Amino acid sequence: AQSVTQPDIHITVSEGASLELRCNYSYGATPYLFWYVQSPGQGLQLLLKYFSGDTLVQGIKGFEAEFKRSQSSFNLRKPSVHWSDAAEYFCAVVRDSNYQLIWGAGTKLIIKP
Amino acid sequence: NAGVTQTPKFQVLKTGQSMTLQCAQDMNHEYMSWYRQDPGMGLRLIHYSVGAGITDQGEVPNGYNVSRSTTEDFPLRLLSAAPSQTSVYFCASSSHLDSNYGYTFGSGTRLTVV
Repeated sequence: AQSVTQPDIHITVSEGASLELRCNYSYGATPYLFWYVQSPGQGLQLLLKYFSGDTLVQGIKGFEAEFKRSQSSFNLRKPSVHWSDAAEYFCAVVRDSNYQLIWGAGTKLIIKP
Repeated sequence: NAGVTQTPKFQVLKTGQSMTLQCAQDMNHEYMSWYRQDPGMGLRLIHYSVGAGITDQGEVPNGYNVSRSTTEDFPLRLLSAAPSQTSVYFCASSSHLDSNYGYTFGSGTRLTVV
């Protein structure tokens, strides 16, 4: 069955440092992949998505993600984090059978001043 | 503003009560979904709809009903609330018919069942 794994429950990064959040998915015929961000008490905002083509995808707020089929990964990166990036980040993949989203458990990003 | 509107934002229910969570979208999206979010579990699909008059179950449908009489509205009904249904509920809509394929989420309903 298709699934998404985010191995890190929490990640702590100093402000100004680089960030990489990991996401692994089980293979599906159509690896439509998404990263969403959720600030405390808020809804979900789309950061970026991958459907096909260039495997390096640019998103909003300076985030990017790289699709690596050989590793079944879609890791999210940012060169320099800001305190406002503190939030929970979710990776998701589209389920082949019904086009609904399968979600990872999320990674909570904590920013050290 | 165009988007997905959920009401109410907060609700407290007593065990055994019923209620309806409302969801409306004005983007003419054919797909609509309901998810629940619980700590450490990400979001789990409750029910979804691929168009007016068509609904299907997701991963955790028990205790919930849905209907889709119009393209715009997709209400979620709790038949007899239980403490295990304490959660944050998100409605989402999407379109698969254009290149801007993606999911738009409502701001959520925080439900507590006591």
